[in-house]
Amino acid sequence: KAGVTQTPRYLIKTRGQQVTLSCSPISGHRSVSWYQQTPGQGLQFLFEYFSETQRNKGNFPGRFSGRQFSNSRSEMNVSTLELGDSALYLCASSLPQDPPSTHGYTFGSGTRLTVV
Amino acid sequence: GENVEQHPSTLSVQEGDSAVIKCTYSDSASNYFPWYKQELGKGPQLIIDIRSNVGEKKDQRIAVTLNKTAKHFSLHITETQPEDSAVYFCAASIVQAGTALIFGKGTTLSVSS
Repeated sequence: KAGVTQTPRYLIKTRGQQVTLSCSPISGHRSVSWYQQTPGQGLQFLFEYFSETQRNKGNFPGRFSGRQFSNSRSEMNVSTLELGDSALYLCASSLPQDPPSTHGYTFGSGTRLTVV
Repeated sequence: GENVEQHPSTLSVQEGDSAVIKCTYSDSASNYFPWYKQELGKGPQLIIDIRSNVGEKKDQRIAVTLNKTAKHFSLHITETQPEDSAVYFCAASIVQAGTALIFGKGTTLSVSS
């Protein structure tokens, strides 16, 4: 079956701009989580969506937001981009269990965002 | 806040040797501990996980042990192969935060033949 699909794979944006990243989860998975990965901070939880509702949120500023559609696809948006937002943004889908199911998260390959 | 420490940050072994990566977590309420393998240009891939009611779990050459009292867990890879070379991350569930995980900083494992 198809995995988690993230688009685009690469993005270059200028400081002050905004960006939208997209994620299509595995069919049947209803929970979508987003993580930021940087060399310095590692993998950090951004937020989780389930049934079009944000269920949990990490410790990131309000410039980071997201949403989920009725087909479970999710988007995240970063407004007023800063140089420090350069990172690999990973989307992960899972069955809506707490904690994650036996199969845990399935991550996409990520979107590499570079802010110049 | 919650924290997961992972050691070592780099590990080099010869093919056929064993590799051990250790993690400690701060929140005693964490109850789910997965390990992920990340290869260059790819997202992390779940390789094994363990829940707090289990002390050890094995899957072929990979095993994970959990010591709840000491709040640490370890990944053991036996008979390492060059294709095991990757970055490995441990993680712990964040209590009262749905499926959210807190990750260690990663271990870069290099297996030379």
